Amino acid sequence: GAVVSQHPSRVICKSGTSVKIECRSLDFQATTMFWYRQFPKQSLMLMATSNEGSKATYEQGVEKDKFLINHASLTLSTLTVTSAHPEDSSFYICSARDPSGKGTDTQYFGPGTRLTVL
Amino acid sequence: GESVGLHLPTLSVQEGDNSIINCAYSNSASDYFIWYKQESGKGPQFIIDIRSNMDKRQGQRVTVLLNKTVKHLSLQIAATQPGDSAVYFCAGGVPYSGAGSYQLTFGKGTKLSVIP
Repeated sequence: GAVVSQHPSRVICKSGTSVKIECRSLDFQATTMFWYRQFPKQSLMLMATSNEGSKATYEQGVEKDKFLINHASLTLSTLTVTSAHPEDSSFYICSARDPSGKGTDTQYFGPGTRLTVL
Repeated sequence: GESVGLHLPTLSVQEGDNSIINCAYSNSASDYFIWYKQESGKGPQFIIDIRSNMDKRQGQRVTVLLNKTVKHLSLQIAATQPGDSAVYFCAGGVPYSGAGSYQLTFGKGTKLSVIP
């Protein structure tokens, strides 16, 4: 299947700093990517939909000024957690659909980024 | 179903037995459903999908059943193996306009433990 990568895989930062997470589609172009967060032993919660060349669409309750999303190209979306606090510690996962996926609408997920805010 | 819980339901099965994992969804607008497998510390991995115009789809060792009347989805794994141990999530997709994609809502997940 299609490959989606994330960088970094793990990051530890101090409270108050900002952290950028990259999501790349390695072998396909994605006009839309999705960002999720997942707390331990819980399900994935959609945070926002990242649209190439336009503003991201945020889910209710997600602060757009805190979680900045930039979809700069068809293969790269970034999520920046600004002024991170310990409660932002979570597993952040991105996904994208391969438009050439032969009739399937399968979304492929990145391996996730574990953020720990001290 | 599609709500988030504080703990995961667990299903323990003997190696070689069949596993059935269930999921209920609430959004009637969902017309595409996927089962994902997630191992610890990794992203979800696609297993099988089904569209709302179907009620059954089979893959290699896996079968998904969809009952739209009661908004219920199940994943059957035949001859369960230790490598199948993971958390399994169902997801319902609603078309995301203009992008040819679906916005997914995930169920709360079931932890499958395979006893050797």
